[in-house]
Amino acid sequence: GESVGLHLPTLSVQEGDNSIINCAYSNSASDYFIWYKQESGKGPQFIIDIRSNMDKRQGQRVTVLLNKTVKHLSLQIAATQPGDSAVYFCAENIRNDYKLSFGAGTTVTVRA
Amino acid sequence: DTGVSQNPRHKITKRGQNVTFRCDPISEHNRLYWYRQTLGQGPEFLTYFQNEAQLEKSRLLSDRFSAERPKGSFSTLEIQRTEQGDSAMYLCASSPGTRVVNEQFFGPGTRLTVL
Repeated sequence: GESVGLHLPTLSVQEGDNSIINCAYSNSASDYFIWYKQESGKGPQFIIDIRSNMDKRQGQRVTVLLNKTVKHLSLQIAATQPGDSAVYFCAENIRNDYKLSFGAGTTVTVRA
Repeated sequence: DTGVSQNPRHKITKRGQNVTFRCDPISEHNRLYWYRQTLGQGPEFLTYFQNEAQLEKSRLLSDRFSAERPKGSFSTLEIQRTEQGDSAMYLCASSPGTRVVNEQFFGPGTRLTVL
């Protein structure tokens, strides 16, 4: 079965609010994680990554948090905008392996 | 555009026909990956190349599937005797070979519909 999964398949958020998307993983050998955004009809777009020796990393309007104790990953989007509406995937990479394992995704819908 | 490109973007074929997809990675990337994505699911790994060498193949890649990267640049994915279950989005990704982490950049995908 999948080793990476998301807590909720859908998330509806008011424009301007902050969004939090959660992801649980089960493989303790995973040492690198990526969040991707996928819009309809397009390939996944890299958002932000984090290595297992970190617990937080910030980008532009996004923050990824990693809790290795409970094998949990989250993506926070600040001041959510209509353009943030998409499916968000977390992906994990096991050390010395090259393929990514993806969860099923969370569909984020931004309400005006 | 210097990103990953894939052709064709859409392919409709009849069951039993052969199809071939092409992927052009970011030029300085020596790692290239193929994934398959079905509706509502995340991408699933199919195979991976480092330069021209195919280093790993998923169990998902049946004998009807073959991938090549003859000169270490573009790659092709061929599906022989297509089945309706092959209908999916086929995604290609590439990553640089010198970084410790595995930041993969995806192309727009080829959507295959098998009738």
